[in-house]
Amino acid sequence: GDSVTQMEGPVTLSEEAFLTINCTYTATGYPSLFWYVQYPGEGLQLLLKATKADDKGSNKGFEATYRKETTSFHLEKGSVQVSDSAVYFCALSRNTGKLIFGQGTTLQVKP
Amino acid sequence: DTAVSQTPKYLVTQMGNDKSIKCEQNLGHDTMYWYKQDSKKFLKIMFSYNNKELIINETVPNRFSPKSPDKAHLNLHINSLELGDSAVYFCASSQDPSGGVNEKLFFGSGTQLSVL
Repeated sequence: GDSVTQMEGPVTLSEEAFLTINCTYTATGYPSLFWYVQYPGEGLQLLLKATKADDKGSNKGFEATYRKETTSFHLEKGSVQVSDSAVYFCALSRNTGKLIFGQGTTLQVKP
Repeated sequence: DTAVSQTPKYLVTQMGNDKSIKCEQNLGHDTMYWYKQDSKKFLKIMFSYNNKELIINETVPNRFSPKSPDKAHLNLHINSLELGDSAVYFCASSQDPSGGVNEKLFFGSGTQLSVL
């Protein structure tokens, strides 16, 4: 069945460092891919998405590119801030209304 | 106004009890969901309803019974609570039940259930 695998956390960075959170997926065909973010004490929020191969999703300085050849959707940001500290979830969907999430990666950014 | 609100935020109860979690969305969406997040933060869908009709039921024990009195509400009732039910339960909603290219879920802030 479909699945999503993310790098294990926590990831601890200093402010202004470069961020990469790896995400790979297993699925046939062309699912839609998403990154959701969960800030402490809150529900998940959609951060960005991509719906077909080579699409790049971007929002708030974060980017991820849908790579069909490597079945990956890695999240990147050039310069993280303390306010980016959160749990990041990679997810896929086959347009059935059902999201399949990875296990989440905790990011801690220190001043 | 909170778009997706769920109550209570925290729920502590004894094994064997019956409890309910309520969810309401004011976004005018047709589809609502329940997700369960375990202690390792792994999130998995439990149910989804579209306009009061069940469309996804993901092999959840029948002690869990969702109820949707109208399309703005999806409540979760749990009978005979067990230790393994301890988790954070998230309600969510979306406009399009089939997902589609515009799929975006709006989540509530979660209900932390602790079964003692």
